Amino acid sequence: EPEVTQTPSHQVTQMGQEVILRCVPISNHLYFYWYRQILGQKVEFLVSFYNNEISEKSEIFDDQFSVERPDGSNFTLKIRSTKLEDSAMYFCASRDWDTSYNEQFFGPGTRLTVL
Amino acid sequence: AQSVSQHNHHVILSEAASLELGCNYSYGGTVNLFWYVQYPGQHLQLLLKYFSGDPLVKGIKGFEAEFIKSKFSFNLRKPSVQWSDTAEYFCAVKEYNNNDMRFGAGTRLTVKP
Repeated sequence: EPEVTQTPSHQVTQMGQEVILRCVPISNHLYFYWYRQILGQKVEFLVSFYNNEISEKSEIFDDQFSVERPDGSNFTLKIRSTKLEDSAMYFCASRDWDTSYNEQFFGPGTRLTVL
Repeated sequence: AQSVSQHNHHVILSEAASLELGCNYSYGGTVNLFWYVQYPGQHLQLLLKYFSGDPLVKGIKGFEAEFIKSKFSFNLRKPSVQWSDTAEYFCAVKEYNNNDMRFGAGTRLTVKP
C-alpha cells in the first residue's frame, strides 16, 4: 500500500539555523500539507499546497517558513532561522484530486529539536 | 474561526468497557469530519470519516461515530475496548471547500488489561 514518507525521522539543530524537512507524498496525489504538533498539544495546520503554489496557510506559517516541490516527488518545508518554539513533530500529508474523497494520508513525522 | 473541541484529555478504561469520546466543532457550514488515531510511536491513521449520507459511520477496528448536525458533534464510540486500543485519538474537521483541516487537542486513551 502506498504511503507518505518523511526524512529525517529526527532532526536536531541549533537556534538560528536553517532546516529543511523532506516529504515524499503518495505518487498520484496532488494536494500536499504540512502540520505540526508541539509536544503535548494539538496537531496544527501549517500550509496546503496545490498546483505548485500555496493554497492556504495558517497564522503560524510566517515568513520564516517556506514550502517547495523541487521535483516530481519531494515536498519540502524550510524553516529559515529556527527558534526554540519551533521544536515539534512535523507531519506531511497528501491527498488525491477527487474532492468527494477528501482523506489526507499522513507521514510518520519528523521530530525537530531546536537547541 | 472554526474550532474543534475534544472534551476529555485522558480516558482510562478497563478492557471490555465501552468507549465514547466527545468531539464538537464550531463551524456552521458543510463539513467533512474525521477521527484519526495515533498509536504510540506511530503516525496518524484514519479511523473513520463522514462526508454525507448516513450520520452513523462505521470505521476500522470496531469504531463508529455519529454525526449530530444539530449538536455540531461527531462522537467516537466503541462497545468493547481492547488493550491494543491504547492510543491518542484526534477529531478533525474540514470545511467542505477549504483545504484547512482543524484538529482537536486529542484524547489519550489508556486501556488497562
